[in-house]
Amino acid sequence: GAGVSQSPSNKVTEKGKDVELRCDPISGHTALYWYRQSLGQGLEFLIYFQGNSAPDKSGLPSDRFSAERTGGSVSTLTIQRTQQEDSAVYLCASSLRGRITEAFFGQGTRLTVV
Amino acid sequence: GENVEQHPSTLSVQEGDSAVIKCTYSDSASNYFPWYKQELGKRPQLIIDIRSNVGEKKDQRIAVTLNKTAKHFSLHITETQPEDSAVYFCAATLRGGSQGNLIFGKGTKLSVKP
Repeated sequence: GAGVSQSPSNKVTEKGKDVELRCDPISGHTALYWYRQSLGQGLEFLIYFQGNSAPDKSGLPSDRFSAERTGGSVSTLTIQRTQQEDSAVYLCASSLRGRITEAFFGQGTRLTVV
Repeated sequence: GENVEQHPSTLSVQEGDSAVIKCTYSDSASNYFPWYKQELGKRPQLIIDIRSNVGEKKDQRIAVTLNKTAKHFSLHITETQPEDSAVYFCAATLRGGSQGNLIFGKGTKLSVKP
């Protein structure tokens, strides 16, 4: 596609439910990042995928959070047993492989846990 | 831990004045330093970036300087305009230079008063 696509754009879920957030990176981009942005806050790093290398999961806040990337393209961020503090905008970004260049962001998924 | 510090958190200037935002980073292996602008409700977008083999880069009213010895870099906006009002984020690659993930500062909310 022309840009990074995220779905859904908005998600309201009940506390305790699991959610899956999807990211379609720009075609040809093998570096993929997930960030979390709480209201009025900065971009909190969650996880980073680079090609076939093991992902850097150092930013995941708890074991309720996990992410995978199938076929080196689409990525899914899963949050199990959601809590109210998980409410935030989840942003995905992608960039070209092998040399850090501009990371393009998706529009984000606004997650609200009620 | 490895991180990126950004100051100030808020900045208010009169139209036409200059604005300066400063960031420091901890990983001496970092070699790519982008700046992103995020308007309210929108995705972050790259405005300028600099690599570690360059000390300064300018693009019209925007300039970025890098001091590798001191591990800090700054964004300079001259002749500010109301449309420059936004949140600005600095970032640095950590944990391995070009193969590392992209870590962001906490952002600076810039307000340009007409």
